[in-house]
Amino acid sequence: NAGVTQTPKFRILKIGQSMTLQCTQDMNHNYMYWYRQDPGMGLKLIYYSVGAGITDKGEVPNGYNVSRSTTEDFPLRLELAAPSQTSVYFCASSWGRGRGGTNYGYTFGSGTRLTVV
Amino acid sequence: AQTVTQSQPEMSVQEAETVTLSCTYDTSENNYYLFWYKQPPSRQMILVIRQEAYKQQNATENRFSVNFQKAAKSFSLKISDSQLGDTAMYFCASKMDSNYQLIWGAGTKLIIKP
Repeated sequence: NAGVTQTPKFRILKIGQSMTLQCTQDMNHNYMYWYRQDPGMGLKLIYYSVGAGITDKGEVPNGYNVSRSTTEDFPLRLELAAPSQTSVYFCASSWGRGRGGTNYGYTFGSGTRLTVV
Repeated sequence: AQTVTQSQPEMSVQEAETVTLSCTYDTSENNYYLFWYKQPPSRQMILVIRQEAYKQQNATENRFSVNFQKAAKSFSLKISDSQLGDTAMYFCASKMDSNYQLIWGAGTKLIIKP
């Protein structure tokens, strides 16, 4: 079972560069999420999607963009990378209904460690 | 606003001992869910245990159990017979029934010593 697959696992970017973090899930989950985890902190929601073609902002969306053209894929785009975007990024998915999403927890990918220098 | 607080940045115990990790939360809703996630050095976030607020019975998963005190808004995790593989960051999280968002605590680093 692949679950949620994130690529790459590590990346170093220079200030001003752009990149896309890939996320794919094979569980037919309708909800997908992007989080960032800063040192000593919990997770902060960047963007989420309730299904193909539908995305919405989370707590910390500035500097990021997402798209959801298929159920399986939910890439996160960083434009004009800044040092403040140095973090570990997690993609997650779940099955849920309506505004409340799922109450059964998420399946997470293994994360991408991004450093902006 | 919802908040989740984990007051213990780091804990360490000897293998086979029992350890309790603390978590308090704040919410204005009656229907909500609480979670403990484990994050080992591999970075993978793994769901350990889940509690539904409307259930009085404390959730249990093998060596992991919770002490859910609804009036006190407390949700502690007890790990019995701790093992070296339990070494990890542990995060407490809450979710309102009416909202998609998980709210996370800052985490507790747990070290199990041989």
